[in-house]
Amino acid sequence: KQEVTQIPAALSVPEGENLVLNCSFTDSAIYNLQWFRQDPGKGLTSLLLIQSSQREQTSGRLNASLDKSSGRSTLYIAASQPGDSATYLCAVNGNQFYFGTGTSLTVIP
Amino acid sequence: EAGVTQFPSHSVIEKGQTVTLRCDPISGHDNLYWYRRVMGKEIKFLLHFVKESKQDESGMPNNRFLAERTGGTYSTLKVQPAELEDSGVYFCASSQDKVYGYTFGSGTRLTVV
Repeated sequence: KQEVTQIPAALSVPEGENLVLNCSFTDSAIYNLQWFRQDPGKGLTSLLLIQSSQREQTSGRLNASLDKSSGRSTLYIAASQPGDSATYLCAVNGNQFYFGTGTSLTVIP
Repeated sequence: EAGVTQFPSHSVIEKGQTVTLRCDPISGHDNLYWYRRVMGKEIKFLLHFVKESKQDESGMPNNRFLAERTGGTYSTLKVQPAELEDSGVYFCASSQDKVYGYTFGSGTRLTVV
């Protein structure tokens, strides 16, 4: 059974700082990996989708990497802003879609 | 295109009552999924429809939960009778094909009192 772990569980940084969120998974037989953002009381917003054959994807200030063989992905956020405050979820797509428990990010103005 | 729509957004019911959640997937998406997040835990898979057929229902917790997708369009998830431990947020997602990733709805927050 796939297990997805996200570290850290919570992170607080001053505005403008670059930061890295980590995701690890136990079964490398995946189709792809997706990073989501969840704001309080809201649904899941897809940020980046990385196929198993890809190494990274970029969207604006976000960059996600994937090392399938070692079971790791990172989400890099450049020049963080208060509006980036949310919970970030990593989800691995294999025979089912498995979520990590998320990293709660607070960016302090 | 319209996204995945779920309603109600919130529901508060008493233990023993029945609740029906609805999900409208993105038009043309054959794959529809239900997930839920209970307090403090990760989001977990409940089941997967391909059109109107249940492809995988291994995540359904017990027979108090019944999901349907008549006609392969919208889906309903009924909880009958509801128990306290059913409280949580129920998410629906749809996908054209898993290689394209999933689009999630805003979720239904269910509170059983």
